[in-house]
Amino acid sequence: GDSVTQMEGPVTLSEEAFLTINCTYTATGYPSLFWYVQYPGEGLQLLLKATKADDKGSNKGFEATYRKETTSFHLEKGSVQVSDSAVYFCALSDGAGGFKTIFGAGTRLFVKA
Amino acid sequence: GAVVSQHPSWVICKSGTSVKIECRSLDFQATTMFWYRQFPKQSLMLMATSNEGSKATYEQGVEKDKFLINHASLTLSTLTVTSAHPEDSSFYICRPGISTDTQYFGPGTRLTVL
Repeated sequence: GDSVTQMEGPVTLSEEAFLTINCTYTATGYPSLFWYVQYPGEGLQLLLKATKADDKGSNKGFEATYRKETTSFHLEKGSVQVSDSAVYFCALSDGAGGFKTIFGAGTRLFVKA
Repeated sequence: GAVVSQHPSWVICKSGTSVKIECRSLDFQATTMFWYRQFPKQSLMLMATSNEGSKATYEQGVEKDKFLINHASLTLSTLTVTSAHPEDSSFYICRPGISTDTQYFGPGTRLTVL
């Protein structure tokens, strides 16, 4: 079945450092890919998405490119801030799977001043 | 404004009681509703898929007699945790199954079973 694998955390960075969180997926169809962010004690927020190969999703300085050849959707940000500290989830939704969303395990990011 | 609402947002109950969680799709008609569970510091795990007018389908390892799902209309699905125990304490989140690209999640219901 469909699955998402993302790098284990926690990831600890200093402010203004470059961020990469790796995400790879397996899917039977042609899924849409997502990154979600969850701040402490809060619900999920959609950060960005890409719906087809080579699409780049971007939001709030974060970017991720849908790479079909490597089945990857790595999250990047050029300069992180303390306020970016949160848990990041990579996810996919596959029409062949009935539109259900499958989540990766999540990666906790700590950004220190 | 909110597209999906959940009620209650948090609930504390005694062990052995049943708790009903409502999920309403405010702007869409959803024939399908996905229910997720998130334990502390873990990811969201799909529990079941409710289907309007038919039985819900449950993921492997999820007890259908314990987690009763009813999809009463195109805008309302309910999850009832029956005879709740402390290990059922979790964050329960719903999402209308509208399409792959339309990803609206409910704000979640935090259940604490004493």
